[in-house]
Parts: sequence; C-alpha cells; structure tokens
Amino acid sequence: GAVVSQHPSWVICKSGTSVKIECRSLDFQATTMFWYRQFPKQSLMLMATSNEGSKATYEQGVEKDKFLINHASLTLSTLTVTSAHPEDSSFYICSDAPPGRGQYFGPGTRLTVL
Amino acid sequence: GENVEQHPSTLSVQEGDSAVIKCTYSDSASNYFPWYKQELGKRPQLIIDIRSNVGEKKDQRIAVTLNKTAKHFSLHITETQPEDSAVYFCAASTGGGADGLTFGKGTHLIIQP
Repeated sequence: GAVVSQHPSWVICKSGTSVKIECRSLDFQATTMFWYRQFPKQSLMLMATSNEGSKATYEQGVEKDKFLINHASLTLSTLTVTSAHPEDSSFYICSDAPPGRGQYFGPGTRLTVL
Repeated sequence: GENVEQHPSTLSVQEGDSAVIKCTYSDSASNYFPWYKQELGKRPQLIIDIRSNVGEKKDQRIAVTLNKTAKHFSLHITETQPEDSAVYFCAASTGGGADGLTFGKGTHLIIQP
C-alpha cells in the first residue's frame, strides 16, 4: 500500500486559535489527497478533496473558510482549522489514492479544543 | 449523493467461526468498494477491495462479494482469530477508487475465545 504521514499526531489548543495539520504522501506524487473527520465511536466522513495546484473541493456542509486546505506540492497537503471551537474536536485523517491501488490513510491527528 | 448502510453494528462470534458483514449502497455509479479494519486509536487499514467488474475476490481468510444489481456487497472472514477483533468499515466511491469514499457506520466485531 501507499505510505502517508501526518503531523502532528495530536494537538490541544485554546478556543479561537488556528491549527495546521500536515499530510504527506511519501511514496508517490499525489495530485489528489482527501481529508476526513471521525468523531469518537463514529464513522469517517469525507470533508474535502485536496487538488494539487488548484482549489479544494468541499463536501456539502463543510465550511471552506473554516477548514482551509492547501496542496502546494505533489507530496504535501495541509488542513488549517481556523478559529477552532470545542465542537471541532475530532480525529482528522488524510489519505491518498495511488492509481489502481486503493486509498490509504495517514495515522490521523487528534485535535482537542479547550 | 451516495449513502452506504452497514449491518450489523455489533457482531460477536466464537473464535474459529465465520463472520459476515453486509453493506448496501445507493448510487449506481459507484464502482469501487473497499473494506477497512480500524483498531482503537489507529488509522483505518485497507484489508480488501473490489471493483464493479468483479463479483468476488478472496485473500486468504477474507473474501468480498458484490451484487451490482441489488447494490450490496459483503465481507466474509473465515476461521476468525482474536486479532480479527476490531471495527470494520465498508465504503463506496466512483472513479475506481480515485474519488473520495462514503463510509458505512461500522461494525464492531468481537471474537470470543
């Protein structure tokens, strides 16, 4: 499978601050990466598709001005949670999809907003 | 958009027995159906997937079947072992896997020793 890394693995922040999460595709050049969110004991929900060199595509109900996605290179996508609030506390996971090989997830970032 | 239903939500089986988890999907354009295993606090791990041009796929103790007409697919685990205990998610997408995934709600599989 593909190798995907994420940083940080966990972060605690105060309400109103912004947090940046990095996702790296380590073994192939990913023109597309995906961001998911998983609340405790729930399933994964697709937030957005990150496109290298162009704007991200957001799923219905996901605020693009709150969850800023940048995909400036073929190996790095970043998700910035702006003005974080306690309800944004969740497990954020990115993935990439090497052609013909399925979709592989990073280790996830656990965000806790106080 | 796509909607994926998954059953059961919890499944308890005796070690050595088989386990079956079922999913249905709504979008006839979906053509890629992966299954993931997630242990507590870890990332989902891809365990098997199937594309719409295939009816069945097997990998050792794990198999997946797909019925496009009925829009359902199932995961079969034979000779279950304690290490199979985890939450299993089915998912569906278009684009042969190149598009974002819509997940089922998950099945907590418990293997009783």
